[in-house]
Amino acid sequence: EPEVTQTPSHQVTQMGQEVILRCVPISNHLYFYWYRQILGQKVEFLVSFYNNEISEKSEIFDDQFSVERPDGSNFTLKIRSTKLEDSAMYFCASSRGGRETQYFGPGTRLLVL
Amino acid sequence: EDQVTQSPEALRLQEGESSSLNCSYTVSGLRGLFWYRQDPGKGPEFLFTLYSAGEEKEKERLKATLTKKESFLHITAPKPEDSATYLCAPGRNTDKLIFGTGTRLQVFP
Repeated sequence: EPEVTQTPSHQVTQMGQEVILRCVPISNHLYFYWYRQILGQKVEFLVSFYNNEISEKSEIFDDQFSVERPDGSNFTLKIRSTKLEDSAMYFCASSRGGRETQYFGPGTRLLVL
Repeated sequence: EDQVTQSPEALRLQEGESSSLNCSYTVSGLRGLFWYRQDPGKGPEFLFTLYSAGEEKEKERLKATLTKKESFLHITAPKPEDSATYLCAPGRNTDKLIFGTGTRLQVFP
């Protein structure tokens, strides 16, 4: 069964450094998402992406964040200058159509020191 | 403002002891309600989508139901492998899902 994959599974970085989190969505899906989950808290929407454009973003997704689909298979989330409060699990998700079931990857645990 | 409340926060059951989890929501432009299961340190795993009041879906020991204001996840004769956090996520008529804080279920043999 096709699934969303994410790399790396864990990332430790110093405050102020740039990080790139990578995702390979399910191959015939057209809509891509990033969510995050701070330890012990709920899963929060960051951004959705379709047709090489951001279609929706939350107030969390400020100028420090960007997303890109650099080729036909990868979808990335970049955090330009990490802060301590960016420490969280970051989940990528994809769906076949807009507003359809979203399938999540296993997550990247980001720790900012 | 959109709100999603799940109860109880935690639930301990003996194997075979059936129960229900509740998800109450106030979401404008609801397009569907999604249930996910999340194991510790893992991503949410899709269980069900419900689109309209009165709809029911079943999968093994789980059954999800939907009203205009609530959804229930009924667990019949649970087993230890059903232990997980169950997340409810209404979807607005936009892309994003709005997750509740979840119900942490523990099933003891």
